Amino acid sequence: GIQVEQSPPDLILQEGANSTLRCNFSDSVNNLQWFHQNPWGQLINLFYIPSGTKQNGRLSATTVATERYSLLYISSSQTTDSGVYFCAPGGYQKVTFGTGTKLQVIP
Amino acid sequence: DGGITQSPKYLFRKEGQNVTLSCEQNLNHDAMYWYRQDPGQGLRLIYYSQIVNDFQKGDIAEGYSVSREKKESFPLTVTSAQKNPTAFYLCASSNQGGGTGITDTQYFGPGTRLTVL
Repeated sequence: GIQVEQSPPDLILQEGANSTLRCNFSDSVNNLQWFHQNPWGQLINLFYIPSGTKQNGRLSATTVATERYSLLYISSSQTTDSGVYFCAPGGYQKVTFGTGTKLQVIP
Repeated sequence: DGGITQSPKYLFRKEGQNVTLSCEQNLNHDAMYWYRQDPGQGLRLIYYSQIVNDFQKGDIAEGYSVSREKKESFPLTVTSAQKNPTAFYLCASSNQGGGTGITDTQYFGPGTRLTVL
């Protein structure tokens, strides 16, 4: 199956700072999902992006399928952005998740 | 409201008991999934189902069983054969790409925290 690596594993930000999270995958994918898991465990989908760039408010994602990576940008971070961010290749029944980036935004 | 519900939110089990976790969706999605998450870890796939009366093993199916008798329901049974069942269990669903096998984005339920006493 497709292997997924996320970096960094942990990240601490001051409120208002920007950050970039990276997701590398071992093979070509039909699509790439980004999720945010809040401190209560709920996973929320952020993006479903096969290639190119999508933006949603302070968050944006870019997938470069030919080079097998995706980036998640968080601008002007807020404490509510804290949690774990997961990426997963989409478009397959057997979806493999990365181990996540744990983000803590401090006031 | 459309969405995925899981129950119970918290579940305690004695060693040697089977327990069943409920997952229901009203999104009219074809595919449903069960994942296990251990503290500080990512999600690992237990079982998935693309259509009613059909399901496939994921990466860690041993000690678990599922059924898919209705499109909207995909219950997971944690059997006594599962040696270390304490974990957070997440159910998800997604649309299917009209028989192509390519799925749309996944939507997750709120999860069930299972603890073995």
